[in-house]
Amino acid sequence: GDSVTQMEGPVTLSEEACLTINCTYTATGYPSLFWYVQYPGEGLQLLLKATKADDKGSNKGFEATYRKETTSFHLEKGSVQVSDSAVYFCALMNTGNQFYFGTGTSLTVIP
Amino acid sequence: DSGVTQTPKHLITATGQRVTLRCSPRSGDLSVYWYQQSLDQGLQFLIQYYNGEERAKGNILERFSAQQFPDLHSELNLSSLELGDSALYFCASKSGGSHTGELFFGEGSRLTVL
Repeated sequence: GDSVTQMEGPVTLSEEACLTINCTYTATGYPSLFWYVQYPGEGLQLLLKATKADDKGSNKGFEATYRKETTSFHLEKGSVQVSDSAVYFCALMNTGNQFYFGTGTSLTVIP
Repeated sequence: DSGVTQTPKHLITATGQRVTLRCSPRSGDLSVYWYQQSLDQGLQFLIQYYNGEERAKGNILERFSAQQFPDLHSELNLSSLELGDSALYFCASKSGGSHTGELFFGEGSRLTVL
C-alpha cells in the first residue's frame, strides 16, 4: 500500500545551520506530496506542497523537490532559526484523496 | 487560523466512559478526516467522510464511531474508554473533488483518560 517514510529525529541544530529532513514515499500513480509543520500546542499547518514530478515547493525559506525517479521529497532550508523549532511531517495524497503521513521529525534549533 | 474548529479543546474523563468530539470544517469543504496523535504512534488515520458519506476507514477501533451531518460538521464518538485512548484527536477538512487540494487541520481535542 501507499506509505511515507521520513528521517527519524529528534534533530538538534544551531541557529543558521543547514537543514535536510529526508522523506521517501511509496505510491501507485502520481501522488501529491506535502510537508506539514506542527508547532508546540498547535495543529498541523501546511508548509509546502508539490503536485507533479520535478515541481519544487517553497515557503518561509524551506524547499522540497518532487523527485519521481528516487521517490523522494526531502525538506531543506539553508539557514534555520530558533522559530523553526517544531515537528515536521511528510505526507502524500493519492489519487483516491487519501492521505498518508510520516511519523514526524522533531527539530530543535538552539541559539 | 485554519478555519477548522474542534471542540472541546481539552477533555478529562474516566475509563469506561463515552465522549463525543466535534468538528466544523472550513466553509465549503465537503471532506472531513479524523486522526489520532499519540506520543508513541505518530499520526494515525481513523476515518474519512465526504458530503455525509463514509469514504475510507483506517485504524479505527470498533469502540469508536463517527458521522458527518447534513450541515457537514462531524462528530467522533469514543466509548468504553481505556487509558490507551488518551491522545490528541485532530480533524481536518479538504475541498471536495480536487486532486490537488490539501488538508486543513483544526487545533485538536486533547483527551485524557484517567
